[in-house]
Amino acid sequence: DTAVSQTPKYLVTQMGNDKSIKCEQNLGHDTMYWYKQDSKKFLKIMFSYNNKELIINETVPNRFSPKSPDKAHLNLHINSLELGDSAVYFCASSPFIAGGPVDEQFFGPGTRLTVL
Amino acid sequence: DAKTTQPNSMESNEEEPVHLPCNHSTISGTDYIHWYRQLPSQGPEYVIHGLTSNVNNRMASLAIAEDRKSSTLILHRATLRDAAVYYCILANQAGTALIFGKGTTLSVSS
Repeated sequence: DTAVSQTPKYLVTQMGNDKSIKCEQNLGHDTMYWYKQDSKKFLKIMFSYNNKELIINETVPNRFSPKSPDKAHLNLHINSLELGDSAVYFCASSPFIAGGPVDEQFFGPGTRLTVL
Repeated sequence: DAKTTQPNSMESNEEEPVHLPCNHSTISGTDYIHWYRQLPSQGPEYVIHGLTSNVNNRMASLAIAEDRKSSTLILHRATLRDAAVYYCILANQAGTALIFGKGTTLSVSS
Protein backbone atom coordinates (compact mmCIF):
# COMPACT_ATOMS: atom_id res chain seq x y z
CA ASP A 1 0.00 0.00 0.00
CA THR A 2 1.22 3.48 -0.86
CA ALA A 3 1.76 5.49 2.30
CA VAL A 4 1.50 9.00 0.83
CA SER A 5 -0.06 9.35 -2.59
CA GLN A 6 -0.48 12.35 -4.84
CA THR A 7 -2.54 12.93 -7.95
CA PRO A 8 -1.82 13.78 -10.62
CA LYS A 9 1.82 12.86 -11.12
CA TYR A 10 2.17 15.29 -14.00
CA LEU A 11 0.16 18.43 -14.64
CA VAL A 12 0.63 20.63 -17.70
CA THR A 13 -1.54 23.69 -17.97
CA GLN A 14 -1.79 27.19 -19.36
CA MET A 15 -1.06 30.40 -17.50
CA GLY A 16 -4.12 31.79 -15.80
CA ASN A 17 -5.80 28.45 -15.21
CA ASP A 18 -6.86 27.08 -11.82
CA LYS A 19 -5.70 23.61 -10.82
CA SER A 20 -5.68 21.30 -7.82
CA ILE A 21 -3.29 18.65 -6.57
CA LYS A 22 -4.59 15.98 -4.22
CA CYS A 23 -2.73 14.23 -1.43
CA GLU A 24 -3.78 11.31 0.72
CA GLN A 25 -1.96 9.43 3.47
CA ASN A 26 -2.99 6.11 4.95
CA LEU A 27 -0.54 6.18 7.85
CA GLY A 28 -2.92 7.63 10.41
CA HIS A 29 -0.67 10.67 10.84
CA ASP A 30 -1.93 13.91 12.32
CA THR A 31 0.27 16.34 10.39
CA MET A 32 0.52 16.91 6.66
CA TYR A 33 2.71 19.26 4.63
CA TRP A 34 3.15 20.74 1.19
CA TYR A 35 6.68 21.40 -0.06
CA LYS A 36 7.77 22.99 -3.34
CA GLN A 37 10.95 22.03 -5.19
CA ASP A 38 11.95 24.54 -7.83
CA SER A 39 14.14 24.12 -10.89
CA LYS A 40 17.27 24.68 -8.80
CA LYS A 41 16.20 21.71 -6.66
CA PHE A 42 15.67 23.72 -3.47
CA LEU A 43 12.94 22.13 -1.39
CA LYS A 44 10.86 24.60 0.63
CA ILE A 45 7.93 24.25 2.98
CA MET A 46 4.70 25.91 1.90
CA PHE A 47 2.03 24.77 4.38
CA SER A 48 1.51 22.42 7.27
CA TYR A 49 -1.75 21.16 8.75
CA ASN A 50 -2.27 19.37 12.03
CA ASN A 51 -5.62 17.64 12.45
CA LYS A 52 -7.13 19.77 9.68
CA GLU A 53 -5.87 23.02 11.17
CA LEU A 54 -3.27 25.21 9.51
CA ILE A 55 -0.11 25.46 11.63
CA ILE A 56 2.52 26.64 9.14
CA ASN A 57 1.91 29.09 6.34
CA GLU A 58 5.13 30.31 4.78
CA THR A 59 5.31 33.32 2.51
CA VAL A 60 3.23 31.87 -0.25
CA PRO A 61 1.02 33.89 -2.64
CA ASN A 62 -2.69 33.94 -1.81
CA ARG A 63 -3.28 32.12 -5.07
CA PHE A 64 -2.24 28.96 -3.24
CA SER A 65 -4.88 27.61 -0.91
CA PRO A 66 -4.54 24.34 0.96
CA LYS A 67 -7.65 22.48 2.01
CA SER A 68 -7.84 19.61 4.47
CA PRO A 69 -11.26 17.88 4.41
CA ASP A 70 -10.03 15.35 6.97
CA LYS A 71 -6.71 14.51 8.55
CA ALA A 72 -5.87 11.97 5.87
CA HIS A 73 -6.15 14.46 3.02
CA LEU A 74 -4.44 17.74 2.21
CA ASN A 75 -5.20 19.19 -1.19
CA LEU A 76 -3.52 22.16 -2.82
CA HIS A 77 -5.52 24.49 -5.01
CA ILE A 78 -3.74 27.05 -7.16
CA ASN A 79 -5.56 29.96 -8.80
CA SER A 80 -4.39 32.00 -11.77
CA LEU A 81 -1.33 29.89 -12.45
CA GLU A 82 1.87 31.71 -13.40
CA LEU A 83 5.01 30.55 -15.17
CA GLY A 84 6.93 30.73 -11.89
CA ASP A 85 4.63 28.16 -10.33
CA SER A 86 6.27 25.47 -12.45
CA ALA A 87 7.93 23.11 -9.98
CA VAL A 88 7.58 19.74 -8.33
CA TYR A 89 5.19 19.77 -5.38
CA PHE A 90 5.61 17.20 -2.63
CA CYS A 91 3.12 16.26 -0.01
CA ALA A 92 4.34 14.74 3.25
CA SER A 93 2.93 13.51 6.53
CA SER A 94 4.23 12.79 10.01
CA PRO A 95 3.00 11.73 13.42
CA PHE A 96 2.48 14.45 15.98
CA ILE A 97 2.89 14.38 19.72
CA ALA A 98 2.34 17.81 21.24
CA GLY A 99 5.58 19.02 22.73
CA GLY A 100 7.46 16.07 21.31
CA PRO A 101 10.42 16.05 18.96
CA VAL A 102 10.21 16.06 15.17
CA ASP A 103 9.43 12.63 13.88
CA GLU A 104 10.01 11.01 10.53
CA GLN A 105 8.24 12.64 7.60
CA PHE A 106 6.94 10.48 4.80
CA PHE A 107 6.92 12.09 1.38
CA GLY A 108 4.74 11.43 -1.61
CA PRO A 109 6.14 10.85 -5.10
CA GLY A 110 5.63 14.45 -6.16
CA THR A 111 3.52 16.25 -8.75
CA ARG A 112 5.42 17.93 -11.56
CA LEU A 113 3.53 21.07 -12.52
CA THR A 114 4.40 22.76 -15.80
CA VAL A 115 2.79 26.09 -16.62
CA LEU A 116 2.99 27.14 -20.26
CA ASP B 1 16.79 28.05 12.62
CA ALA B 2 20.20 26.54 13.05
CA LYS B 3 21.96 25.91 9.76
CA THR B 4 23.93 22.99 8.46
CA THR B 5 26.90 22.89 6.09
CA GLN B 6 27.56 19.95 3.80
CA PRO B 7 29.94 19.38 0.90
CA ASN B 8 28.25 19.88 -2.46
CA SER B 9 29.25 16.49 -3.78
CA MET B 10 31.04 13.27 -2.94
CA GLU B 11 32.01 10.21 -4.89
CA SER B 12 32.23 6.61 -3.85
CA ASN B 13 32.78 3.18 -5.30
CA GLU B 14 30.32 0.38 -4.94
CA GLU B 15 30.76 -1.84 -1.89
CA GLU B 16 32.87 0.78 -0.11
CA PRO B 17 31.83 2.67 3.02
CA VAL B 18 30.77 6.30 2.62
CA HIS B 19 31.10 8.98 5.27
CA LEU B 20 28.95 12.04 4.62
CA PRO B 21 29.87 14.94 6.91
CA CYS B 22 27.65 17.71 8.23
CA ASN B 23 28.61 20.73 10.29
CA HIS B 24 26.07 22.39 12.55
CA SER B 25 28.04 24.62 14.89
CA THR B 26 24.98 26.63 16.02
CA ILE B 27 22.93 23.60 17.03
CA SER B 28 20.76 24.10 20.10
CA GLY B 29 20.32 21.62 22.91
CA THR B 30 16.89 20.54 21.69
CA ASP B 31 17.74 20.14 18.00
CA TYR B 32 17.64 16.65 16.61
CA ILE B 33 19.91 15.85 13.67
CA HIS B 34 17.95 14.35 10.80
CA TRP B 35 19.15 12.87 7.54
CA TYR B 36 17.00 12.47 4.47
CA ARG B 37 17.93 11.49 0.97
CA GLN B 38 16.31 12.13 -2.37
CA LEU B 39 16.82 9.66 -5.16
CA PRO B 40 16.43 10.97 -8.71
CA SER B 41 12.82 11.80 -9.58
CA GLN B 42 11.53 10.73 -6.16
CA GLY B 43 10.39 12.41 -2.98
CA PRO B 44 12.76 12.74 -0.02
CA GLU B 45 13.16 9.63 2.08
CA TYR B 46 13.96 9.48 5.79
CA VAL B 47 17.31 7.90 6.57
CA ILE B 48 18.05 8.34 10.25
CA HIS B 49 17.98 10.82 13.11
CA GLY B 50 19.58 11.28 16.51
CA LEU B 51 20.06 13.66 19.40
CA THR B 52 23.31 12.90 21.22
CA SER B 53 24.21 9.24 20.92
CA ASN B 54 25.25 7.43 17.79
CA VAL B 55 22.39 5.68 16.04
CA ASN B 56 22.19 2.65 13.79
CA ASN B 57 19.38 1.39 11.61
CA ARG B 58 19.06 -0.87 8.60
CA MET B 59 19.94 1.93 6.20
CA ALA B 60 22.83 3.71 7.84
CA SER B 61 24.63 4.82 10.98
CA LEU B 62 24.77 8.30 12.42
CA ALA B 63 27.85 9.36 14.33
CA ILE B 64 27.40 12.52 16.39
CA ALA B 65 30.36 14.46 17.72
CA GLU B 66 30.57 14.83 21.46
CA ASP B 67 30.02 18.60 21.24
CA ARG B 68 27.19 17.97 18.70
CA LYS B 69 28.61 20.56 16.34
CA SER B 70 29.07 18.02 13.61
CA SER B 71 27.79 14.63 12.57
CA THR B 72 28.54 12.00 9.97
CA LEU B 73 26.16 9.77 8.08
CA ILE B 74 27.78 6.42 7.38
CA LEU B 75 26.65 4.12 4.60
CA HIS B 76 28.47 0.91 5.35
CA ARG B 77 28.54 -0.51 1.83
CA ALA B 78 27.48 1.84 -0.92
CA THR B 79 25.39 0.48 -3.75
CA LEU B 80 24.41 2.11 -7.02
CA ARG B 81 20.97 2.67 -5.52
CA ASP B 82 22.48 4.89 -2.85
CA ALA B 83 23.28 7.57 -5.43
CA ALA B 84 21.15 10.48 -4.26
CA VAL B 85 21.18 13.91 -2.65
CA TYR B 86 21.66 13.58 1.10
CA TYR B 87 20.30 16.28 3.36
CA CYS B 88 21.38 16.98 6.93
CA ILE B 89 18.62 18.86 8.77
CA LEU B 90 18.18 20.19 12.30
CA ALA B 91 14.69 20.15 13.79
CA ASN B 92 13.25 20.12 17.27
CA GLN B 93 9.51 20.39 17.74
CA ALA B 94 6.84 18.01 16.49
CA GLY B 95 5.00 19.43 13.52
CA THR B 96 7.94 21.59 12.49
CA ALA B 97 8.64 21.71 8.80
CA LEU B 98 11.98 20.43 7.62
CA ILE B 99 14.32 23.07 6.25
CA PHE B 100 16.26 21.57 3.40
CA GLY B 101 19.62 22.97 2.32
CA LYS B 102 21.50 22.09 -0.84
CA GLY B 103 22.58 18.73 0.49
CA THR B 104 25.41 16.51 -0.73
CA THR B 105 25.07 14.81 -4.08
CA LEU B 106 26.54 11.33 -3.72
CA SER B 107 27.72 9.54 -6.85
CA VAL B 108 28.43 5.82 -6.70
CA SER B 109 30.51 4.10 -9.35
CA SER B 110 30.65 0.41 -10.11
